[in-house]
Amino acid sequence: RKEVEQDPGPFNVPEGATVAFNCTYSNSASQSFFWYRQDCRKEPKLLMSVYSSGNEDGRFTAQLNRASQYISLLIRDSKLSDSATYLCAVNGNFGNEKLTFGTGTRLTIIP
Amino acid sequence: DVKVTQSSRYLVKRTGEKVFLECVQDMDHENMFWYRQDPGLGLRLIYFSYDVKMKEKGDIPEGYSVSREKKERFSLILESASTNQTSMYLCASSFWGTGGGEQYFGPGTRLTVT
Repeated sequence: RKEVEQDPGPFNVPEGATVAFNCTYSNSASQSFFWYRQDCRKEPKLLMSVYSSGNEDGRFTAQLNRASQYISLLIRDSKLSDSATYLCAVNGNFGNEKLTFGTGTRLTIIP
Repeated sequence: DVKVTQSSRYLVKRTGEKVFLECVQDMDHENMFWYRQDPGLGLRLIYFSYDVKMKEKGDIPEGYSVSREKKERFSLILESASTNQTSMYLCASSFWGTGGGEQYFGPGTRLTVT
């Protein structure tokens, strides 16, 4: 089993719709979880951290399910500018500074 | 504004050449990383450094070495480039003690080995 797994998509979603992605991880000792966004031919940039209690930032909500070992990202009222690849990232054990990235989920918002 | 810069955006090298990729960050970050990104394989960690002259192997260190003589600079070296090292190379940096934390990426170097 891969350390971090994502559905590669593509997800083609009409503008204004709600879309959700999941990301599963295999290391139950992982402590830190993140969603990154990568635009075409650009570098990844941090979108949001994922806290145990969940995290909301405008139209974006990230959640963690430790029991089932997955994190999720929900995008409400999707915009054309949300089109990108979304990477989840998970660290190892406590104190581990390294992240393992998923291969990404490609999202295209259709007008 | 955090800035991570990489020495080249595009590079073409011949098989067997020695290749240097340089990365500089201006945020006084302790951690620096080198990744390669390939379609279907995602971002894979090559090497990690948490301090000057300190390094740790990542998931795919074979064929690569690194150098960190100054805190702000982290170099990736391909001792003898091979065609299977054709890839996008991304450098990143972050603060120590953040459990992975927010990594800031450079714009990437697309390396082609012919």
